[in-house]
Amino acid sequence: GESVGLHLPTLSVQEGDNSIINCAYSNSASDYFIWYKQESGKGPQFIIDIRSNMDKRQGQRVTVLLNKTVKHLSLQIAATQPGDSAVYFCAVNNAGNMLTFGGGTRLMVKP
Amino acid sequence: EPEVTQTPSHQVTQMGQEVILRCVPISNHLYFYWYRQILGQKVEFLVSFYNNEISEKSEIFDDQFSVERPDGSNFTLKIRSTKLEDSAMYFCASRLLGLAGAADTQYFGPGTRLTVL
Repeated sequence: GESVGLHLPTLSVQEGDNSIINCAYSNSASDYFIWYKQESGKGPQFIIDIRSNMDKRQGQRVTVLLNKTVKHLSLQIAATQPGDSAVYFCAVNNAGNMLTFGGGTRLMVKP
Repeated sequence: EPEVTQTPSHQVTQMGQEVILRCVPISNHLYFYWYRQILGQKVEFLVSFYNNEISEKSEIFDDQFSVERPDGSNFTLKIRSTKLEDSAMYFCASRLLGLAGAADTQYFGPGTRLTVL
């Protein structure tokens, strides 16, 4: 089965700086990866996704990088804002289309 | 923007009681899921449901759990005899079935917090 690990449980950044959140996965056959943001008391909110035929995808202020060689995924947030404070989860889509979630990284933005 | 909704937001029950958690998936979505998140832990897959039957289930989803789509809009999770360790946030998710079965995004509801006393 798939296991998804987190690299850092907490990340503290200054407002305006860039944030990088990392994730590792174990199954080289995994083909679809998603980053979710979870604010306190709410459900996971989709941020950005990437398929295994790509190594980079950009959204509004967010970029996801996929390195299939080392089975590593990262989320970059540009010009981090206080509203970005949340727990960020990477999730890997497995056969049967169920998601395996990582442990999450709590992003704290200092004003 | 369409969204997944869940009721109730918080359910308190006594150990051994039955609970039913309700979800209304996004209207044109075809694949439905339940996940749970014990406080401070990862989100864990419980079950997926497609074409009126269970598609996949995890080891957590034992005989005490069942799912149903009783009508065209609701998707429910029933826990027959709750245990203390069932206390968690339960999230419903849905997705539009991708072309040729390709994976696509699962959208999550706000969750139901289940507290078993």
